[in-house]
Formats: sequence, structure tokens, C-alpha cells
Amino acid sequence: GESVGLHLPTLSVQEGDNSIINCAYSNSASDYFIWYKQESGKGPQFIIDIRSNMDKRQGQRVTVLLNKTVKHLSLQIAATQPGDSAVYFCAENRNGQNFVFGPGTRLSVLP
Amino acid sequence: EAQVTQNPRYLITVTGKKLTVTCSQNMNHEYMSWYRQDPGLGLRQIYYSMNVEVTDKGDVPEGYKVSRKEKRNFPLILESPSPNQTSLYFCASSSGVGELFFGEGSRLTVL
Repeated sequence: GESVGLHLPTLSVQEGDNSIINCAYSNSASDYFIWYKQESGKGPQFIIDIRSNMDKRQGQRVTVLLNKTVKHLSLQIAATQPGDSAVYFCAENRNGQNFVFGPGTRLSVLP
Repeated sequence: EAQVTQNPRYLITVTGKKLTVTCSQNMNHEYMSWYRQDPGLGLRQIYYSMNVEVTDKGDVPEGYKVSRKEKRNFPLILESPSPNQTSLYFCASSSGVGELFFGEGSRLTVL
């Protein structure tokens, strides 16, 4: 079946560098996407979202890019900090409010 | 404080002993959902509810039941738990405009 997936299960970056986490989705009908951050022992927390009528959206130190042509979503984190270490999930929205999540990427920030 | 509350947070039980994991949200959200999280498999949806008395199966509904008798509560019922239901469970709710708010999770072990 169709699903949302991530290209890399783990990502290590130096503190201060920029991080890019990628996500591929397969359902061209999806019109809403979210990035979540999950720290150890906690529930997923909303980072940023984007709708299909947009290509880019920026937040505080984070940017989400949506490429509908190749069905690709990415999360960019500027000046990565130790507190950014977590598992990041992308999710696509189908049929209104029914979300499907990818397996996640573990981001490790190296000192 | 806006929140999704799950109970219990931790539970060890034995095969076949019925259990219920409660979920309550104080944001007057119409949409609620249950996920299980297993290593390498990300968040998989069990059941969701678009409103009171309206529930639908997610991707992995087998072995679970839910009910939505009132807007704020969405309990997850395991009538006869089995070891393959050992997992970390998350409840989430949404107003219908996108973002899912997650609870802190319930770690269940079935012996």
C-alpha cells in the first residue's frame, strides 16, 4: 500500500551545522504534511507544517520544503544544537484528518 | 493547559487479561486517534474517530476496540491482549485544521 517513508534512518551532524532530513511520500492526493520531533520518553511534538499549495514554509530555525513533482518533503534545521537531537517524523494527511507517519530519522548532534 | 492525557503510562499484564488505556483531551477536539509505535516501524494508526459515535479502523486495528461516547474521551480496549501487542501507545487529538496533539504515551508489556 501507499506509505510515507524516510530516506535515512540516522543522521549525525556537527553542532552548528545545518541538518536536512528527507521524506518521500507516495500518495499524490495528500494535501497536508507535518514534521514532528520526538525526544526520548516523550510524545511527538509538532515542529512545522505545510499544505500542498505551498513549496516552502519557514519557522524559527526550521524550514520545510515540498516538492510535489517528485513527492518529496524535507526539513532543514539551521545551526543545529544539541537540543535538536531526537527522532523526526514526517506525516502526510489523507482523507481529511487521517495521518500516516514515516518510520522516523534519528538525528544526533555531535559536539 | 491544553493537553492529551493517557493512563496508565506503564502497564505490565498477562495474556488474555482485558485492559483499557484511557485517553482524554481538554481542547474540545473532534478528531482523536490511537497509534502504536514499535522499533523500526514508526507510528502506526490503530483506530481514529472523527466525532462522537464515529470511529474507523486504521492500519492495524486487529485485537483492539475503541469507543467515542463523548468528545473528550477515546479509550483503547484490548479484550484479550497478546504478547504481540507489547508496544508504546500514543493517543492524539486534533481540531480538524491539521496539527495532531499527542499524549505522553503508554508503554504496555503483555507477558
